[in-house]
Amino acid sequence: GENVEQHPSTLSVQEGDSAVIKCTYSDSASNYFPWYKQELGKRPQLIIDIRSNVGEKKDQRIAVTLNKTAKHFSLHITETQPEDSAVYFCAASRSGNTGKLIFGQGTTLQVKP
Amino acid sequence: NAGVTQTPKFQVLKTGQSMTLQCAQDMNHNSMYWYRQDPGMGLRLIYYSASEGTTDKGEVPNGYNVSRLNKREFSLRLESAAPSQTSVYFCASSGQTAGQPQHFGDGTRLSIL
Repeated sequence: GENVEQHPSTLSVQEGDSAVIKCTYSDSASNYFPWYKQELGKRPQLIIDIRSNVGEKKDQRIAVTLNKTAKHFSLHITETQPEDSAVYFCAASRSGNTGKLIFGQGTTLQVKP
Repeated sequence: NAGVTQTPKFQVLKTGQSMTLQCAQDMNHNSMYWYRQDPGMGLRLIYYSASEGTTDKGEVPNGYNVSRLNKREFSLRLESAAPSQTSVYFCASSGQTAGQPQHFGDGTRLSIL
């Protein structure tokens, strides 16, 4: 069945360093890959997304890369700040009429000041 | 523009009691979803509704029922609550076509004693 694996489960970096979170998906028909940030006690919020016709997308300090051949995609956060500390979820969906997402297990990012 | 609104925000139940969690969205989305989030387990899909009048099981549907009351509202019912259903429940909505992000409500924190 459809599956999304996310690594690492926890990540600790020093403020100013870069952080990279990687996800692998199993369904080759997947064509939409959003990333969500969830702060403690809050709702998941979309921070960036990428579609399968694009290999990379950047928004200020965050970027996402997609390798369709290898079926993996990654989130890159540069110049990390303490407010980047949160749980990050990747997800994947395939074309169709439901919009259903398959989520990874989440990565807890801690940015140490 | 409220987005996705969930009620209640907190609830404590006794084993065997029933309860309905309410969700409403004002974004004219066709698709709606119910997730549960347990520590270390990420987001698990309980049920979803791709359009008004349709509902489908997700990954963990046992012990739950849903109703898509109209395009705006999607409710989740626990007929006989069990301690294993203690969790945070999130409702989300999205457009129906492929490549649409899901928008989440603030969640309902449910404890079953």
